[in-house]
Amino acid sequence: EDQVTQSPEALRLQEGESSSLNCSYTVSGLRGLFWYRQDPGKGPEFLFTLYSAGEEKEKERLKATLTKKESFLHITAPKPEDSATYLCAVRADSNYQLIWGAGTKLIIKP
Amino acid sequence: NAGVMQNPRHLVRRRGQEARLRCSPMKGHSHVYWYRQLPEEGLKFMVYLQKENIIDESGMPKERFSAEFPKEGPSILRIQQVVRGDSAAYFCASSPPGTVGKYEQFFGPGTRLTVL
Repeated sequence: EDQVTQSPEALRLQEGESSSLNCSYTVSGLRGLFWYRQDPGKGPEFLFTLYSAGEEKEKERLKATLTKKESFLHITAPKPEDSATYLCAVRADSNYQLIWGAGTKLIIKP
Repeated sequence: NAGVMQNPRHLVRRRGQEARLRCSPMKGHSHVYWYRQLPEEGLKFMVYLQKENIIDESGMPKERFSAEFPKEGPSILRIQQVVRGDSAAYFCASSPPGTVGKYEQFFGPGTRLTVL
């Protein structure tokens, strides 16, 4: 069964304290892995798409990496405005659906 | 370029009433997806549509729920005879035409349905 697990469930950091969020997946043929950011009361905002192991993408303080079993979202020197829930989703060869993790709630304290 | 639009943003219904949720995809996008999100839970896929076609409705309950994406106008998610368990945030996403799944999905702001 295709599955996505994100860890930790919640992460509290001080402003400037770098860390990583994990997204582990098991799918029958990975078509793509997607990272989104969701603020309270809003829809998910697209961040990155990764297609193959070894691929990396960066945007401001965020960097996403991909292996054959997991993806990491690295956040460098975060600011309070980076506080949000970060969602990971995968699409497998077997169907059209995106399979979503439950998210990591990131809180950055000033 | 306007993003994905959903209305209403908030909808309150009494048990047994009908709820109609609308979604206008981004300009140039022909693929529409509907998701449901319960508090503190992940997004759950409901249905995937292209213009005038339902491609995958495997995530949608067999009864009371239906979806359409007509040739003209927005996509509609319809919930008949709502029950309290239908209370959730419903999100619509769209993606451009082409290889399915290759392109990222862009989400609307959601409709928050409350059933009294």
